[in-house]
Amino acid sequence: AQTVTQSQPEMSVQEAETVTLSCTYDTSESDYYLFWYKQPPSRQMILVIRQEAYKQQNATENRFSVNFQKAAKSFSLKISDSQLGDAAMYFCAYRRDNAGNMLTFGGGTRLMVKP
Amino acid sequence: NAGVTQTPKFQVLKTGQSMTLQCAQDMNHEYMSWYRQDPGMGLRLIHYSVGAGITDQGEVPNGYNVSRSTTEDFPLRLLSAAPSQTSVYFCASSYSVDRFTDTQYFGPGTRLTVL
Repeated sequence: AQTVTQSQPEMSVQEAETVTLSCTYDTSESDYYLFWYKQPPSRQMILVIRQEAYKQQNATENRFSVNFQKAAKSFSLKISDSQLGDAAMYFCAYRRDNAGNMLTFGGGTRLMVKP
Repeated sequence: NAGVTQTPKFQVLKTGQSMTLQCAQDMNHEYMSWYRQDPGMGLRLIHYSVGAGITDQGEVPNGYNVSRSTTEDFPLRLLSAAPSQTSVYFCASSYSVDRFTDTQYFGPGTRLTVL
């Protein structure tokens, strides 16, 4: 079974600074997808960014970017120019190809942003 | 579009009671799923459906039933509630499981407490 591990229960960043959230996963598959979801206090799950394993180029969405290291099975999220609205729980998730749309989530990292 | 809607937002049950959590989407999505989120943990898949009339089990299906009689609705039934089912329940949907249209949209969640 696939597992997703987020080793940082909490992280803190100063407003306007950069922070990196870590995620590692375990899989024997070669084709899969990785995601970062944001969950603010409202509990809504919001997709931040996704990465297809077959793509070598790291995904980027505005201030959010990933460092995808396939051989190391690592998928970190970098948030640049942190804003107060970035404060939330962040979940890393894995989806195997040809397996429906089932997501396996990590335990989450709580990000605090200091003004 | 209303997106993915869930009712109720909050519910308190006594052990042994049954109830149905409602989930509906108006995006004509084929794929729908139910997750539960326990305190301090990521989401875990309970059941999912790839289309009307088709359902399957996820990671933690025991104690829950689902059915999918229409594309729009995917109710989750608790047959005999237990305190271990105290959790926040999320419904999600996606247009398909194809890599180009597999982005999952989550509902706002239902917080369930079983006494």
